[in-house]
Amino acid sequence: GNSVTQMEGPVTLSEEAFLTINCTYTATGYPSLFWYVQYPGEGLQLLLKATKADDKGSNKGFEATYRKETTSFHLEKGSVQVSDSAVYFCALSDTTSGTYKYIFGTGTRLKVLA
Amino acid sequence: DVKVTQSSRYLVKRTGEKVFLECVQDMDHENMFWYRQDPGLGLRLIYFSYDVKMKEKGDIPEGYSVSREKKERFSLILESASTNQTSMYLCASSFYDEQYFGPGTRLTVT
Repeated sequence: GNSVTQMEGPVTLSEEAFLTINCTYTATGYPSLFWYVQYPGEGLQLLLKATKADDKGSNKGFEATYRKETTSFHLEKGSVQVSDSAVYFCALSDTTSGTYKYIFGTGTRLKVLA
Repeated sequence: DVKVTQSSRYLVKRTGEKVFLECVQDMDHENMFWYRQDPGLGLRLIYFSYDVKMKEKGDIPEGYSVSREKKERFSLILESASTNQTSMYLCASSFYDEQYFGPGTRLTVT
């Protein structure tokens, strides 16, 4: 079945450091891939997505590239800010069934220190 | 902007009580979802609905039921709450493959 594996956290970085959060997936077919962010006390917000191989999703300085050959969708940001402290979830959507159900990773907590 | 609202942010219930969690979306989305979020386990799908009165079990439906009488509203029901249902509950609605989440309800069962 489909699955998503994320690197375990917490990840602690200093402001302006480079961020990578690893995400790999197992899926039949051609899923869409997503990164969601959850700030303290809030629900999840869509950060970025990619719908096919070699697509790059980007938003708010974050980027991730859909790599079919390595089944990966790693999240990167060149210079993190304190306000990026949150939990980040990688997810895939089974687009073939028509229900668009998601499979989520377990989440990675990021803490950015000033 | 899409708005998904949940009836309570925090809820405390006793073991054996019947619990209703309400979710409302304002964007006429066909699909709605209920998840629970637990540390180290991420989000797990309880039930989803792809139309009024239509529902399907997710990965962990045991101990839960749902109701969707109107397109904008999707309710999660705990028939007889137990302590292992203490969790954060998140509702979402979707437009094709993008899901939009409510703020969550943190439920404590004592």
